[in-house]
Amino acid sequence: GQSLEQPSEVTAVEGAIVQINCTYQTSGFYGLSWYQQHDGGAPTFLSYNALDGLEETGRFSSFLSRSDSYGYLLLQELQMKDSASYFCAASGTYKYIFGTGTRLKVLA
Amino acid sequence: DVKVTQSSRYLVKRTGEKVFLECVQDMDHENMFWYRQDPGLGLRLIYFSYDVKMKEKGDIPEGYSVSREKKERFSLILESASTNQTSMYLCASSPRTGETYEQYFGPGTRLTVT
Repeated sequence: GQSLEQPSEVTAVEGAIVQINCTYQTSGFYGLSWYQQHDGGAPTFLSYNALDGLEETGRFSSFLSRSDSYGYLLLQELQMKDSASYFCAASGTYKYIFGTGTRLKVLA
Repeated sequence: DVKVTQSSRYLVKRTGEKVFLECVQDMDHENMFWYRQDPGLGLRLIYFSYDVKMKEKGDIPEGYSVSREKKERFSLILESASTNQTSMYLCASSPRTGETYEQYFGPGTRLTVT
């Protein structure tokens, strides 16, 4: 079957660095995306990795290792507004498969 | 500004009713998607469409159908609503080409079936 696994919850303090891992098992894999969703809001796109390695966008970075079927989202200099759910998604032809989401709690 | 709109934010229906959820995007995207989101289960794909009048089943199509008569509009239909279809429904769109595979989501419709 096709699945993506991520931790259900992660807690960190303001200013810290946190890593959210995602392991996947899919067919026809093109790349790994990350989305952020605040409570009551719609998911918004953060990053996409088609190739192995690290992609950096401001405080957020995303990593992919195709050989390990593994990726992670790295959030630096955590802020209270980063408290949200984060989803990894594996893209195939036309569609995505989403992970179950990681709820990040940032403590003051 | 990119926009995906959904017809209702909240909807309450009775068991057995026929329910229509509408989604409109103004980005001229070819691909459109319907997901449902439930706690602990993430986003699960119900149906998607990669062109007008084209549709493909996702992972959980049972009890649902879709319609795409115009490029900008993608409708999700619950033929006979049941209580286990109480959920948050999210519509999304994406361009056919592009390297980021970014999907743009609407605000969601929280459907309660009583």
